[in-house]
Amino acid sequence: DAKTTQPPSMDCAEGRAANLPCNHSTISGNEYVYWYRQIHSQGPQYIIHGLKNNETNEMASLIITEDRKSSTLILPHATLRDTAVYYCIVRVGYGNKLVFGAGTILRVKS
Amino acid sequence: NAGVTQTPKFQVLKTGQSMTLQCAQDMNHEYMSWYRQDPGMGLRLIHYSVGAGITDQGEVPNGYNVSRSTTEDFPLRLLSAAPSQTSVYFCASSSLAGGSYEQYFGPGTRLTVT
Repeated sequence: DAKTTQPPSMDCAEGRAANLPCNHSTISGNEYVYWYRQIHSQGPQYIIHGLKNNETNEMASLIITEDRKSSTLILPHATLRDTAVYYCIVRVGYGNKLVFGAGTILRVKS
Repeated sequence: NAGVTQTPKFQVLKTGQSMTLQCAQDMNHEYMSWYRQDPGMGLRLIHYSVGAGITDQGEVPNGYNVSRSTTEDFPLRLLSAAPSQTSVYFCASSSLAGGSYEQYFGPGTRLTVT
């Protein structure tokens, strides 16, 4: 699986968009980009995934660059409950056998 | 439905003791797995199963055994607990059916080995 690089931490003001970057410069054509988050030592929670196109669901949007070497997770209106560790994971296929890095600690502040 | 459940929530063991962490899911998922998470680190895969009777090793399998006799249950056995196994253990499940990409995680078991 391709390696991912994320900033260790980010801050965001409540109500503003949170943009979390992920670099995956060695991604191959059949690898998906997955995002999970972990709130205060709970079990990780799936957010979104994508292959080539930008994706949006009720939680977030995923923007993947045309060359697929990086992506950005966007939480459009961050709330205090979005404070969590966010993991960007690159994986072939259905996203089993996930490899978690250190992730990005997002702190949403009022 | 309850999703993925894990018991116990907390456990303290002495070095050399054995125990079984329980994991169950009610979503009829074929795939189940166990991860451990050490303080300040990401999750690491211990063992996984793609269906009843089929298990395989993940990244850090030493010191742990698993079996999968039913679709619903995937217990993790610590054979002889060591302080290095102090960690939070998460169980996860997912469907292997086409178009399913989400893994569902349980709430975790916090294990301390003294």
